[in-house]
This record gives sequence, C-alpha cells and structure tokens, in this order.
Amino acid sequence: KAGVTQTPRYLIKTRGQQVTLSCSPISGHRSVSWYQQTPGQGLQFLFEYFSETQRNKGNFPGRFSGRQFSNSRSEMNVSTLELGDSALYLCASSLTRSHEQFFGPGTRLTVL
Amino acid sequence: GIQVEQSPPDLILQEGANSTLRCNFSDSVNNLQWFHQNPWGQLINLFYIPSGTKQNGRLSATTVATERYSLLYISSSQTTDSGVYFCAAGGYMTATDSWGKLQFGAGTQVVVTP
Repeated sequence: KAGVTQTPRYLIKTRGQQVTLSCSPISGHRSVSWYQQTPGQGLQFLFEYFSETQRNKGNFPGRFSGRQFSNSRSEMNVSTLELGDSALYLCASSLTRSHEQFFGPGTRLTVL
Repeated sequence: GIQVEQSPPDLILQEGANSTLRCNFSDSVNNLQWFHQNPWGQLINLFYIPSGTKQNGRLSATTVATERYSLLYISSSQTTDSGVYFCAAGGYMTATDSWGKLQFGAGTQVVVTP
C-alpha cells in the first residue's frame, strides 16, 4: 500500500506570496492532519480534517487554512507569507480520528 | 491542552549499549506514538502504544496509562539508531473533539558512536 505523499517536496517563496501544499493520504484513510516543524517551536499541530470538515485547529493565524476533498486528499494554504513561515510542513493520515497517524515526507518551505 | 515531556533531551551512546527514553504526558490519552525522525525529516512510525508493551526487534516500548508515562528501550544500539526520537500523545479520553491532534514532545537527540 502506498504511503502518504506530499507535493511539492521543496518550495522557495518570497514574503507576501501565498503557497498551496498538497497531501494524499494512504488509501482508505479518512483523517488528515497537518503539522509545522521549526527548530525553535518543534512540531506543532496546524489542523485536522475528517469527512471534508475541519475538526480541530491549532493556534495559528488565519493566514493558514486548509481543506479536504471527497477522496480524502487535503491541501493547506498559507497566504501573505512571512519569514517565520519557513518550516517543514508534515501531513499525516489515519484510518479514523483516533487511530495511529502515518506521516508523509514533508514539504520544506523557505520564505525569502 | 495536553503536555508532553521527553527526557533526556540528548543521549550519546557507544555502539552496543542499551538505553531508555522516557515520555510523560499530562492527561489520559487514546493515542500514544513513538517516532524516529531521519535526517531528511521523515517521521518513521516505531510504536502505536496507548497502553501495554510492544517489541519490534531491538526496540521495545511500554506505556503505563494509569501513571501517564511511556518508555522506549533501545537495546544493542547501532549507528543507524542515531537521530531524533519523538513521543506524541493525543485523543484525550474525555474530549472527542481533541481526537486527530497529536501533541509532540521536544524529542530526544540520540547519537550512537562506533
């Protein structure tokens, strides 16, 4: 069974731009969660989607948003990029909301 | 929200040594996972262990849910065991709206020297 895939793997943007990251979960998994990893803050939860609805949201500004499609694929969007948004963005999928989470390889975003 | 603390923050081992990593969490959980992060950032699942004991080769883990801690044991360490080990907890027993969110500890940086 294929694992969680994320695209793109690397991205360079400039301040003020916006970016969209994509995540395809493991086949059959219905819950997708997003995390941000930075050297200073560690791994932080962004949001979780299940059945196309956001079920949980972390403590991030409204510039961070996401959605989930009917095939469980998910996208996250960051608008008006800031230097501090440079990070590794990780997506995880699980069978349902309370099951084990499996992570993709991440998208490394650099904001210049 | 739930707090997760890992200790020690850093660990230097000689190849062949055994070690124990600890994870304390502040609330009852439905989900407790251990991960190893490789140098490219990929989080590799080691154990899904909300309670009980599991073993996988040279690695084993124990979670004592009633006392809110989990232990990861590395036996006969090898240089390939180097990296950062994360514990993550989530899905508080008493709050279904918290499911789907993992709270990560700060990690334990393990260096295994030849």
